[in-house]
Parts: sequence; C-alpha cells; structure tokens
Amino acid sequence: DAGITQSPRYKITETGRQVTLMCHQTWSHSYMFWYRQDLGHGLRLIYYSAAADITDKGEVPDGYVVSRSKTENFPLTLESATRSQTSVYFCASIPGQGGYEQYFGPGTRLTVT
Amino acid sequence: DAKTTQPTSMDCAEGRAANLPCNHSTISGNEYVYWYRQIHSQGPQYIIHGLKNNETNEMASLIITEDRKSSTLILPHATLRDTAVYYCIVRVVGSGTYKYIFGTGTRLKVLA
Repeated sequence: DAGITQSPRYKITETGRQVTLMCHQTWSHSYMFWYRQDLGHGLRLIYYSAAADITDKGEVPDGYVVSRSKTENFPLTLESATRSQTSVYFCASIPGQGGYEQYFGPGTRLTVT
Repeated sequence: DAKTTQPTSMDCAEGRAANLPCNHSTISGNEYVYWYRQIHSQGPQYIIHGLKNNETNEMASLIITEDRKSSTLILPHATLRDTAVYYCIVRVVGSGTYKYIFGTGTRLKVLA
C-alpha cells in the first residue's frame, strides 16, 4: 500500500550503540520530518527536510544525524545512543508548499538500555 | 516562532459539542493554525487548518478570532472515538521551509 512507513517498529539497543531508524514514503512528498515523543509529552521536532539533500535542525537535534539522498527516504541515525533518547519516534511528510496536511507514520518505539 | 497554549485536559459528554480552545497571541500574519489529534500512541492525524476565516470540514469546525490571537476547535457531536490528545499548531515559515511546532496538547475525554 502507498503511504509512509517506518522501520523497525520496535527497537531495543544499548547505550553507546549506533541506531538508524528508517522512514519511507511512496508519495514523492517534498517535505519530511522527524519527531520524538516522550511518555506523557507532546511531539518535538528533531530534523526536517525540504527536498533531497536539504535538511535543517528542529527543536532537539543534538545526538541525531539525518540524510536524504532520495526523496522517498529520510533515515534518522543516533550516532551513540543514550538513555535519554528512549522515546517514540514519528516520521511525517507533506507534499510541498501547497500541501497542508502532514501525514504521519506509525512510529518507532526505541528503548535504550 | 509563535507558540500555542492549550488546556491540559477536558471532558465532554458523548453527543455534545466539544469546544477546544487554543491561544496563539504571537501569531504573525502569514501563519496558519492547524489542528491534529493523536489517538493512543498512533501517529497524529490532521483535522483542519485555517488562516483568518472560520473553516468547517466533515470532522470539525475551526473558529478563529478576528485578531487571530486565539481559536477554537469544535467537534459538533463528540463520540467515544474522539477521545484523544488534540494539538493546536501554528505553522512556522522560515528559510523557505516549513516547521510544525507541537505543544503538549489537550487531552479530551469523551464520557458515555
């Protein structure tokens, strides 16, 4: 089915490990976003991308790296995972400047032990 | 960047209208107001958006004050399935890209 998918859906890793969360959308949307949501809190923007090879920081970018070599993929990498990065991560996309609705993926639940 | 303020939680009786307020007193002229909701731990779902005029769709109505400093999302006949966290967001425009800043939202509980 077309849409926006995230993988893995659940991940447990150890402190200090590198982890990459994948996001893939089939609509060729220009803009993509990564958010984190901590238990009992709202969503906080980590990074976003306006197009392939164009990325920018959000509210909480420290400890994360993103890339966007292809329009449909927007991976998020935790270079050295810390316990404070235990969270649910959501990827989202919008079509472009004319698009109003942000489409969200199902989320990845990451636990850092 | 414009910020939003919402009540932490609200209750509404099933079948009644749910009115969810949002304050965005620092909104600028070209910023839109968006509403999303999040049911359980699913990804947020778009509800409605507006600039200065009131808007209505199949899900809800959005009332924006004339000075644009606040707005109200109205669910006309709330059902139990509308129990969710509702986020009011101001769409930030900068450097040719668009950032969506989510607040903590309002937890709406629809009571049977």
